[in-house]
Amino acid sequence: AQSVSQHNHHVILSEAASLELGCNYSYGGTVNLFWYVQYPGQHLQLLLKYFSGDPLVKGIKGFEAEFIKSKFSFNLRKPSVQWSDTAEYFCAVNTGTASKLTFGTGTRLQVTL
Amino acid sequence: ETGVTQTPRHLVMGMTNKKSLKCEQHLGHNAMYWYKQSAKKPLELMFVYNFKEQTENNSVPSRFSPECPNSSHLFLHLHTLQPEDSALYLCASSQVDRVSNYGYTFGSGTRLTVV
Repeated sequence: AQSVSQHNHHVILSEAASLELGCNYSYGGTVNLFWYVQYPGQHLQLLLKYFSGDPLVKGIKGFEAEFIKSKFSFNLRKPSVQWSDTAEYFCAVNTGTASKLTFGTGTRLQVTL
Repeated sequence: ETGVTQTPRHLVMGMTNKKSLKCEQHLGHNAMYWYKQSAKKPLELMFVYNFKEQTENNSVPSRFSPECPNSSHLFLHLHTLQPEDSALYLCASSQVDRVSNYGYTFGSGTRLTVV
């Protein structure tokens, strides 16, 4: 069965620092990849997604992610974080069985002023 | 509003009660899902419905019973729950075809407390 790993469980950054959150998956076939964000007390919402084409995907709020097929990775980046980026971030993969996504365990990002 | 509406937002129930969670999607999607989100645990897939048909039951105890009367509505019927079932229950919908899932839209969830 496919799996998704997010190795950073809790990340603390100062405002204006650069962010990179890791996501690795285990599946050798075609994948669709997603990053979701959950702000405190709010619902999970889509940040960005990759289906095909340019492996560098741009999402909302200045986030981007790069699909590196050879590394089975889809890391999330932002050049300069803001306090309002404090949230939990989930990587998700759709592989083989098209009807569901497999989620990572999430990374809690805390941005300090 | 996300296009996926869950009611109620909060629910407190005793272990002998029977209650139901409701989810409605206004996005024209053809798949719906129930997830359980507990503190310090990954999102747990419970049930998957494609075109109203249940296609996955992820070893969920029988005290949770899903119902999907049409492609826009999904229910989760609860009975004789345990305190460890206290969690945030999330509904999601998506558009799927033979090879792709185009991404979930989540509802705001129902915060369930079992006392």
